[in-house]
Amino acid sequence: DQQVKQNSPSLSVQEGRISILNCDYTNSMFDYFLWYKKYPAEGPTFLISISSIKDKNEDGRFTVFLNKSAKHLSLHIVPSQPGDSAVYFCAASAYVSNFGNEKLTFGTGTRLTIIP
Amino acid sequence: DAMVIQNPRYQVTQFGKPVTLSCSQTLNHNVMYWYQQKSSQAPKLLFHYYDKDFNNEADTPDNFQSRRPNTSFCFLDIRSPGLGDAAMYLCATSRGLDGDYEQYFGPGTRLTVT
Repeated sequence: DQQVKQNSPSLSVQEGRISILNCDYTNSMFDYFLWYKKYPAEGPTFLISISSIKDKNEDGRFTVFLNKSAKHLSLHIVPSQPGDSAVYFCAASAYVSNFGNEKLTFGTGTRLTIIP
Repeated sequence: DAMVIQNPRYQVTQFGKPVTLSCSQTLNHNVMYWYQQKSSQAPKLLFHYYDKDFNNEADTPDNFQSRRPNTSFCFLDIRSPGLGDAAMYLCATSRGLDGDYEQYFGPGTRLTVT
């Protein structure tokens, strides 16, 4: 049972345009969401996060939007740059007594290719 | 630079032959995690340590064990690897503090079972 879903395995975007990566979740207990970026032969690196008390968080070119009623979040990258080409993972966690939000559930990832 | 280090990066083992993967961190984080990731799949949490407290996921096979002898090191032991255990194994750490849930990942160890 995949609780975090990234339905687009791949996405190609022209350099300079906006990249929008989507993520859906089914567990209503999830209250913290993160995006990770992964280059080949490297581990995932943290990109941006959002708590369920917010609907938007912005960090430079990266913005994450959360729609709790739809159980949907999205990552916007604008403008897209060639260095943004990577696999992007959405992750979610639910607060658990004694564990906090330590345990993450990941999606399967979306491979983003930025076309120069 | 503070980091999460995994050795070896590539490991080949024979079917049924025990293998140990290692992870070390210089971040002084309280929590260490082991994930298994198979091709085109999501990283799957196997277990994690909060300090010395071990927390196993319910669906982690008994074939997988872990040790954390000190804050800096964590090991993944696969007692009798099967062909289905071939995967990328990712180690991660986090501070384990309220409001700070970012996990820092190592580069992973790719395990091949022959």
